[in-house]
Amino acid sequence: SQQGEEDPQALSIQEGENATMNCSYKTSINNLQWYRQNSGRGLVHLILIRSNEREKHSGRLRVTLDTSKKSSSLLITASRAADTASYFCATGNDYKLSFGAGTTVTVRA
Amino acid sequence: ETGVTQSPTHLIKTRGQQVTLRCSSQSGHNTVSWYQQALGQGPQFIFQYYREEENGRGNFPPRFSGLQFPNYSSELNVNALELDDSALYLCASSLGAGHTEAFFGQGTRLTVV
Repeated sequence: SQQGEEDPQALSIQEGENATMNCSYKTSINNLQWYRQNSGRGLVHLILIRSNEREKHSGRLRVTLDTSKKSSSLLITASRAADTASYFCATGNDYKLSFGAGTTVTVRA
Repeated sequence: ETGVTQSPTHLIKTRGQQVTLRCSSQSGHNTVSWYQQALGQGPQFIFQYYREEENGRGNFPPRFSGLQFPNYSSELNVNALELDDSALYLCASSLGAGHTEAFFGQGTRLTVV
């Protein structure tokens, strides 16, 4: 079973626009991570936010975490065609990562 | 590139056969985790190896087994293949057996016919 659920399942935006996707999870966590996957290949780690953090930035990425609502959001600003990919949130506990089903983002030129 | 390499990249097997997938972890990493990703789904945790010992296991049957070698590379073995085993198998290495940042390989696409 999947721990997290991303919303929306799919997102189509124009180049230059911002993309926001959300992740909800069910149990308590130590950290939450976001990964990107291009064309069904390997996952690339984007950002990790710990349970005692509320917001984190990395380049054009902004992640928020609300542990009271068991939810996180990923914002990609000024999107580019290269941002077209599937994005997954993963909760980290003990020894494993539990992934959601992902949000597929398409950036139109 | 993450420094994690997996082989082979693609594989076609017949139902009932056995398969071995290989993973070389990133330099300095002592922990390897394996994930199965079915089409359109997120990765599902299979198991983790830390310093050559199984450190945790997901909800997969015993016909999924693994090994980690002294150089921290790893193998995933699947016996008695079933059609539902068709998936992308991902290996991830990390420094430590906790929930730290994981570096993924490009995966092995297994098709069972």
